[in-house]
Amino acid sequence: AQTVTQSQPEMSVQEAETVTLSCTYDTSESNYYLFWYKQPPSRQMILVIRQEAYKQQNATENRFSVNFQKAAKSFSLKISDSQLGDTAMYFCAFAYTGANSKLTFGKGITLSVRP
Amino acid sequence: DGGITQSPKYLFRKEGQNVTLSCEQNLNHDAMYWYRQDPGQGLRLIYYSQIVNDFQKGDIAEGYSVSREKKESFPLTVTSAQKNPTAFYLCASSTLRGSQETQYFGPGTRLLVL
Repeated sequence: AQTVTQSQPEMSVQEAETVTLSCTYDTSESNYYLFWYKQPPSRQMILVIRQEAYKQQNATENRFSVNFQKAAKSFSLKISDSQLGDTAMYFCAFAYTGANSKLTFGKGITLSVRP
Repeated sequence: DGGITQSPKYLFRKEGQNVTLSCEQNLNHDAMYWYRQDPGQGLRLIYYSQIVNDFQKGDIAEGYSVSREKKESFPLTVTSAQKNPTAFYLCASSTLRGSQETQYFGPGTRLLVL
């Protein structure tokens, strides 16, 4: 079974600065997907970014980018030009490809953006 | 607007009572999921369904039941057998085109025990 580890429970960053959130995972599969979800105080889960394991190129979405290191089983999220609206919990999640695939979530990290 | 709706936003349960949480989607997604979120924890899968009239247990199915009579609807019943039901419940859906489609979430239901 796969596991997802987010070892930092909390982080803080100054507005307009850059922050990196860490995530590691463990799996014996070679084909899988990785996700970062954001959960603001409203508690709505919002997809931030997704990475397919077969792609070497790191995914980017505007101010959000990932550093995907497949051999190291590491999947960190970089937020550039942090904004107050980025304050939220961030969850890393894993899903292998194939039938009956399910998402496995890390415990999340609380990010606070300071004005 | 397309999306996933969950109701109610808050739900109170008395001891020994069954309660049902509603989840509806108009995204024409094949698969639907129920997760439980506890403070300081990630999401844990309760049940999921990939097709009408079929569903599978997730990691923490004990004390819960579901049905999938329509593609758009996937209600979750928290039974009296669930001894610690206080949590935030999230419903999600996804297509099944491709190997793993992204899951999209509803706004959640907060369940509290009186």
